[in-house]
Amino acid sequence: NAGVTQTPKFRILKIGQSMTLQCAQDMNHNYMYWYRQDPGMGLKLIYYSVGAGITDKGEVPNGYNVSRSTTEDFPLRLELAAPSQTSVYFCASRTDYPINEQFFGPGTRLTVL
Amino acid sequence: TQLLEQSPQFLSIQEGENLTVYCNSSSVFSSLQWYRQEPGEGPVLLVTVVTGGEVKKLKRLTFQFGDARKDSSLHITAAQPGDTGLYLCAGVHMDSNYQLIWGAGTKLIIKP
Repeated sequence: NAGVTQTPKFRILKIGQSMTLQCAQDMNHNYMYWYRQDPGMGLKLIYYSVGAGITDKGEVPNGYNVSRSTTEDFPLRLELAAPSQTSVYFCASRTDYPINEQFFGPGTRLTVL
Repeated sequence: TQLLEQSPQFLSIQEGENLTVYCNSSSVFSSLQWYRQEPGEGPVLLVTVVTGGEVKKLKRLTFQFGDARKDSSLHITAAQPGDTGLYLCAGVHMDSNYQLIWGAGTKLIIKP
């Protein structure tokens, strides 16, 4: 099993550009998440999904969009990139209750200049 | 807003010393998890504690869940350079559809 995979690993965007961060998991997990982590900080939830076709906003959704057409894939879309979106982005999936263990991808380091 | 406060935010100690990291909240959690994150990687689950007062040991790491299930601690005995990393606690709250509430993390550096 590959677990959770993310592409790309690094990306530099200009202000106003758009991009999609890809995330896939092969563990058949229903729950998937997108987090951002700023330097020296913990994780902030952007969006999450409880299954194919169902998504919901997290703590910091502004400037982002998601879709979940399959169980495996959960892409994150950045529209009109801003310097405040410079961060490391982590995708995660988790096992069901009661275990609730989250498995993380390796992250995407995004810089907006 | 449910908060999990971790302390200290940063800790740098010599190899062989002991240390304790705390995770506190005013909310009751159904369980609490500790993750470790190494530079350039995503967090990895270390342990889940479920029962109030529960103590779990993972080699030199001891995790405790408070009796009231509002706080937790991580104690490392005889720290080693390989323990260096960011330690994150995360609470599972039943009222939040079992979403994780994350602490801000404790950055730990163990100097040889």
